Amino acid sequence: DIQMTQSPSSVSAAVGDRVTLTCRASQVISTWLAWYQQKPGQAPKLIIYAASTLQTGVPSRFSGSGSGTDFTLTISSLQPEDFATYYCQQASASPYTFGQGTKVEIK
Amino acid sequence: QLQLQESDSGLVKPSQTLSLTCTVSGDSISSAGFSWSWIRQPPGKGLEWIGYIYHSGDSYYNPSLKNRVTISIDMSKNQFSLKVTSVTAADTAVYYCARVPPYGKYVSSWFDPWGQGSLVTVSS
Repeated sequence: DIQMTQSPSSVSAAVGDRVTLTCRASQVISTWLAWYQQKPGQAPKLIIYAASTLQTGVPSRFSGSGSGTDFTLTISSLQPEDFATYYCQQASASPYTFGQGTKVEIK
Repeated sequence: QLQLQESDSGLVKPSQTLSLTCTVSGDSISSAGFSWSWIRQPPGKGLEWIGYIYHSGDSYYNPSLKNRVTISIDMSKNQFSLKVTSVTAADTAVYYCARVPPYGKYVSSWFDPWGQGSLVTVSS
């Protein structure tokens, strides 16, 4: 199985901050990577697919980059509604696996 | 707008079978190019892909669940279903259904949108 490792496990940031989350795959996955946002008590929501494509309706302050094994999700100016847990997921090979999540908390 | 809704399974006894149904509204489950998936999340933990089924009926599963999982599709009811046999406490989780969109000529294997989730507790 492809292992997905996210760092950090949590980050404290203030409204307006630029936040960068990292995801590393245990083997090359090209750009077969998705990012999800999950708020407490809610289902995950797809925000980025194909490593860098913004899902329709997602604010442009979110961006994704990377290919191969190393990926990043950047929130350019953190807003109150962005405090959540973010998961990466590899879509390259079955079984499709998720990272353990990064929790973005209010500073 | 496409919506997915999981049925309630609630409490299941160890060694019994967990059964869930996902009802799709706002689009046909037989739409070409789309697949339908189940994902689960144990309380306070991360996400685990269970499997998916193509509109053709072909299905693919996570080997970690070995031979305990079956996903089926009912075009006439616009639903797809999950069965997990011989459950243990480790199967306690929120179970989500989700659509798998195409990506070009490929199955994308990312998930959008998701249902709200159904908590299944395995306990005697």
